[in-house]
Amino acid sequence: QVQLVQSGGGVVQPGTSLRVSCSASGFSFSGYGLNWVRLAPGKGLEWIAFISHDAHKTYFADSVKGRFTLSRDNPKNTLFLQMTSLRPEDTALYFCAKDRRPLYDHGDYEFDHWGQGSLVTVSA
Amino acid sequence: SSELTQDPAVSVALGQTVTITCQGDSLTTYSASWYQQKPGQAPLLIIYDKSSRPSGIPDRFSGASSGETASLTITGALADDEADYYCNSRDSSYYPLFGGGTKVTVL
Repeated sequence: QVQLVQSGGGVVQPGTSLRVSCSASGFSFSGYGLNWVRLAPGKGLEWIAFISHDAHKTYFADSVKGRFTLSRDNPKNTLFLQMTSLRPEDTALYFCAKDRRPLYDHGDYEFDHWGQGSLVTVSA
Repeated sequence: SSELTQDPAVSVALGQTVTITCQGDSLTTYSASWYQQKPGQAPLLIIYDKSSRPSGIPDRFSGASSGETASLTITGALADDEADYYCNSRDSSYYPLFGGGTKVTVL
């Protein structure tokens, strides 16, 4: 069955960097776009980033644009979220999420499988 | 940019029916999906493409859409349905957009 297993996260100081990974199994990894969605304390879900199946396209929400980058290693079925210049408002539970339909270069954006979440806390 | 508006909270008696709505002008162009999220868990896709259910989702969950409003109906609510529910569609730039979420309490 489809599984997305996340690693990384933790407590960091403002202005520093952190990387979160998402390791996938149970589907044709190189055929699907992947996303990151976060849930900040007391707030709702927020989509923050997408990477196309072939990594040729990435899109970011304005809240993280220029600070976060996405990459993927298709032979190793792994997705990476690199976060830099972290701010207290980036404190959240971060989820990787798979597009439902394959091969959408701008994202299918219907998220049919999710990782378990990685907690990122940005605090001095 | 667009917004998707949901009621913050609703309650439903055990076994009764509740409808959650999601309003936004982008819904006239793009279809909605719905997610259930329980505390400490990842969201779960329960409705996609306005009204389709993924395999394994009970048929007591149904979705509909008309004009600027999408809706999720839980028919015969169970205690296990107590959760936060989020609608999702697109903003004017085609990027995904979530509603603020509706907390459903089963009495």
